[in-house]
Amino acid sequence: ETGVTQSPTHLIKTRGQQVTLRCSSQSGHNTVSWYQQALGQGPQFIFQYYREEENGRGNFPPRFSGLQFPNYSSELNVNALELDDSALYLCASSQGWPSTDTQYFGPGTRLTVL
Amino acid sequence: DAKTTQPNSMESNEEEPVHLPCNHSTISGTDYIHWYRQLPSQGPEYVIHGLTSNVNNRMASLAIAEDRKSSTLILHRATLRDAAVYYCILTRGSTLGRLYFGRGTQLTVWP
Repeated sequence: ETGVTQSPTHLIKTRGQQVTLRCSSQSGHNTVSWYQQALGQGPQFIFQYYREEENGRGNFPPRFSGLQFPNYSSELNVNALELDDSALYLCASSQGWPSTDTQYFGPGTRLTVL
Repeated sequence: DAKTTQPNSMESNEEEPVHLPCNHSTISGTDYIHWYRQLPSQGPEYVIHGLTSNVNNRMASLAIAEDRKSSTLILHRATLRDAAVYYCILTRGSTLGRLYFGRGTQLTVWP
């Protein structure tokens, strides 16, 4: 059973640029959630996709957007990058039901904005 | 999202039991209590969850107070590999398991 994978591992961008991060869900999982983790903080929920539809969003501006594909892989897009966007971006997948189902996290993508 | 309170840090010696506390005084009747941990340079991993009754699995035990306003994660014999940040999180049935993390407890295990 393949776990959750994310790409790239590390990324360096400059302020104002756009970035796309990718996540492959664990086999059989139809729900994916994205989190942002700043240094020394716990992960913060960005948004969640269930069967290709956005299903809940945290306190993040619209320049954070996402997609979920028919194979349940996902992308996180961030436009107009700001210095504060520097963080570890985590993707988590689950079966979606029951709602208490375990979230399986990937290793994350470390984004640095200069 | 309901709030939890955990100590910033705790220490333990290897092979000793560890009791990690969590307060959640505003918990509602349908909130589940989850614990996740994050080892250095890794994504969080699931540890255990429960609703009202105490729960055991191969990793840990979860003791839930009768009034559900607090819980304790118990690691029966700490190992060096258990050194991590431990997060206590409440989830609701309507949220498809999305997690709202606090700052967690940094557990240090001494050899």
